[in-house]
Amino acid sequence: AQKVTQAQTEISVVEKEDVTLDCVYETRDTTYYLFWYKQPPSGELVFLIRRNSFDEQNEISGRYSWNFQKSTSSFNFTITASQVVDSAVYFCALSEAYRDDKIIFGKGTRLHILP
Amino acid sequence: NAGVTQTPKFRVLKTGQSMTLLCAQDMNHEYMYWYRQDPGMGLRLIHYSVGEGTTAKGEVPDGYNVSRLKKQNFLLGLESAAPSQTSVYFCASTADETAKLRQYFGPGTRLTVT
Repeated sequence: AQKVTQAQTEISVVEKEDVTLDCVYETRDTTYYLFWYKQPPSGELVFLIRRNSFDEQNEISGRYSWNFQKSTSSFNFTITASQVVDSAVYFCALSEAYRDDKIIFGKGTRLHILP
Repeated sequence: NAGVTQTPKFRVLKTGQSMTLLCAQDMNHEYMYWYRQDPGMGLRLIHYSVGEGTTAKGEVPDGYNVSRLKKQNFLLGLESAAPSQTSVYFCASTADETAKLRQYFGPGTRLTVT
């Protein structure tokens, strides 16, 4: 079955600290796609990254980095030198290739960056 | 280019009333989705459409109906609103013919049913 687990419901860190948000997924398919979205306090959903199952290279975008490990079915997200503007709810999501009509979202991790 | 828009942004209904939420996208996307977001529950799929004239049930379809008469519009209807339908509703669309690509979300509609 298709499932995404974000075990961390809420995290608080002090500004400038590094923080990692965990995402563990379950899928029967060998071809699948993983996503991260950000939902700031304003409420809109902002796309951050998409990764397919054949690309296990880690990705870095500024202060953001993603660690994809198929061996542990994880797609973790790290923010380096966190800033108050990073405060948001972050969602991990999964789309399977054989069911190409929808994606499944995790329940989200609420991140508080304290000044 | 407006992207995905939702109407209305806020609404208060009384139990038993009906309403329709409108989602419109100007990106010529094939796939469209309706989600609801509740505290601690993440985003749950209500209904979706893989093209004009088609609809399908998602994870939590009960109490809702949808229609996709035009490719650019996806309507979500509540025939008899219940307090359990108090939520924030998001519409999304996907470029191309699959959900493998990123979803573009609307700004959301906050619905309260009293």
